[in-house]
Amino acid sequence: SQQGEEDPQALSIQEGENATMNCSYKTSINNLQWYRQNSGRGLVHLILIRSNEREKHSGRLRVTLDTSKKSSSLLITASRAADTASYFCATDVWGAQKLVFGQGTRLTINP
Amino acid sequence: DTEVTQTPKHLVMGMTNKKSLKCEQHMGHRAMYWYKQKAKKPPELMFVYSYEKLSINESVPSRFSPECPNSSLLNLHLHALQPEDSALYLCASSHLWGAQETQYFGPGTRLLVL
Repeated sequence: SQQGEEDPQALSIQEGENATMNCSYKTSINNLQWYRQNSGRGLVHLILIRSNEREKHSGRLRVTLDTSKKSSSLLITASRAADTASYFCATDVWGAQKLVFGQGTRLTINP
Repeated sequence: DTEVTQTPKHLVMGMTNKKSLKCEQHMGHRAMYWYKQKAKKPPELMFVYSYEKLSINESVPSRFSPECPNSSLLNLHLHALQPEDSALYLCASSHLWGAQETQYFGPGTRLLVL
């Protein structure tokens, strides 16, 4: 079964606005990662947040993790057309040493 | 070099054909992965190699046969595929095998089985 579920499934905003995507998961995790995928291409790692961290920043990206709610959010500030992509959260599966990807959010930035 | 390369970019094959996908990295990574991704779906793990040894096989049908000839190369041999196997096949690598590792993905091979 899928470990991570994301919402919204699709998000369309104007350039310059902020975009927020959410990821919920079912079981305990050691860490959670976010990846970006441009249409039909490989995934690019954005950020990793560990279970003992609550918030992490990288450039225009801000990730939060709430282990009590089993959820994470990715905020992209001051969005650009180049941010148009699908965004996936990925969680580890306890003891299995593998990542399971959420369903993803398709983000469209309108110029 | 922080790149994972995959060849070919596109592949069309019949159900009786035998073909191979190739993946290469020169980052000194010791873990390599094959994922399958259907349209508008997340990547699904197929195989993991760690130090050139198969560490995870996610119950993949035997018509998919992985091979890791050395630490830089990963192949996926395809034989007698079905149309439902049409998908984007992604290769990834990481420094070591582990869910805490950042994975570096190649651009993928888009496979169409007729």
